[in-house]
Amino acid sequence: DVKVTQSSRYLVKRTGEKVFLECVQDMDHENMFWYRQDPGLGLRLIYFSYDVKMKEKGDIPEGYSVSREKKERFSLILESASTNQTSMYLCASSPQGGVSHEQYFGPGTRLTVT
Amino acid sequence: QQQVKQSPQSLIVQKGGIPIINCAYENTAFDYFPWYQQFPGKGPALLIAIRPDVSEKKEGRFTISFNKSAKQFSLHIMDSQPGDSATYFCAASKVWSGGTSYGKLTFGQGTILTVHP
Repeated sequence: DVKVTQSSRYLVKRTGEKVFLECVQDMDHENMFWYRQDPGLGLRLIYFSYDVKMKEKGDIPEGYSVSREKKERFSLILESASTNQTSMYLCASSPQGGVSHEQYFGPGTRLTVT
Repeated sequence: QQQVKQSPQSLIVQKGGIPIINCAYENTAFDYFPWYQQFPGKGPALLIAIRPDVSEKKEGRFTISFNKSAKQFSLHIMDSQPGDSATYFCAASKVWSGGTSYGKLTFGQGTILTVHP
């Protein structure tokens, strides 16, 4: 059974703190993605990675960075958390190539920045 | 920039009704159109997907209708059940880009569906 896990379900941080969100997949997928989910805005892509140490900006990368040192692990970093980064963060993975681009999502991390 | 617009934002139907969720896209290069279903406390999961070479795809009670000329596609849920209550997202993707496939999806805003018993 495919699995994407995220390090925390709920996280509360203070403004200005550095925040790390971790995502691990066990499917040997090449592609990994970080989204944020906000009511009325859907899922917006922050960053994605198609290989180890490779990364591409998504639609809303400002205020975020990522790290992919191992194939199975993709980290999202908030260098200096701000209240407008309070959101649900979702990680996903997918295989590269083929006809299906199904993305497998983790359960999400609800981050509150106070 | 929002390239996929989804409506309505929320929808309430009675059991047995046929909710319809609509999406419109702008980028004519998109060639893969999935729908994802998300239950509370869970991540989204692929429900059904269509490619633009067909106008309709059916899987069980779920049907995608696709209108390439209008750049619109919709999800129909036949004989809806309370267990179908969830948030539904349409999405679009350009499968191949420069010889490489990353499967990057652009999602719509989401529709919260409630099916009353």
